[in-house]
Amino acid sequence: DIQMTQSPSSLSASAGDRVTITCRASQSITTYLNWYQQKSGKAPKLLIYAASSLQSGVPSRFSGSGSGTDFTLTISSVQPEDFATYYCQQSYITPYSFGQGTKLEIK
Amino acid sequence: QVQLVQSGAEVKKPGASVKVSCKASGYTFTGYYMHWVRQAPGQGLEWMGWLNPNSGGTHYAQKFQGRVTLTRDTSISTAYMELSRLRSDDTAVYYCARSSIVVIPAAEGIDWFDPWGQGTLVTVSS
Repeated sequence: DIQMTQSPSSLSASAGDRVTITCRASQSITTYLNWYQQKSGKAPKLLIYAASSLQSGVPSRFSGSGSGTDFTLTISSVQPEDFATYYCQQSYITPYSFGQGTKLEIK
Repeated sequence: QVQLVQSGAEVKKPGASVKVSCKASGYTFTGYYMHWVRQAPGQGLEWMGWLNPNSGGTHYAQKFQGRVTLTRDTSISTAYMELSRLRSDDTAVYYCARSSIVVIPAAEGIDWFDPWGQGTLVTVSS
């Protein structure tokens, strides 16, 4: 099974900060990597698919990059509504797996 | 708009079974695979399996093999997840999520989940 490891597990930021979250796969997954945002008590929401494609309706301050085993999610200027938990997910091979999550908190 | 609406919260005793429904609207139900994912309280996301709503074909994570059954009723555009022999560590929110992969002509391409249902809390307690 492919293991997905995110870092950091949590981070604090102020509105307007640039934030980067890293996701590493235990083996190459080419670009079969998606990012989701989950707010407390809500279902996850797709942000980025295929490593770098922005889902329709998602603000352009979100971006994704990477291929192979190393990926990043960047928020160019954090907004108050961005404070949430973020998950990466590989869909290269089943069982699909998620990272453990990164909680973005207000500093 | 594309929407998935799940059934309400359940409380079950250990050893029992639970069946969660997921009603799709806004698209052709048989046209896209459907995934099920669960999330234990305060924990991360765990993929359980997928359903081909057109053929009824399924694929399960090995962890759930033998305990989970994914089915569908195409006449009402609804997918179901049944989990048997419940244990306390099955307490979780269960989500359905539509795949990006179309069933016909062939399943190919990168798979992502969008949208998700609102989630169904299943509590297993004696």
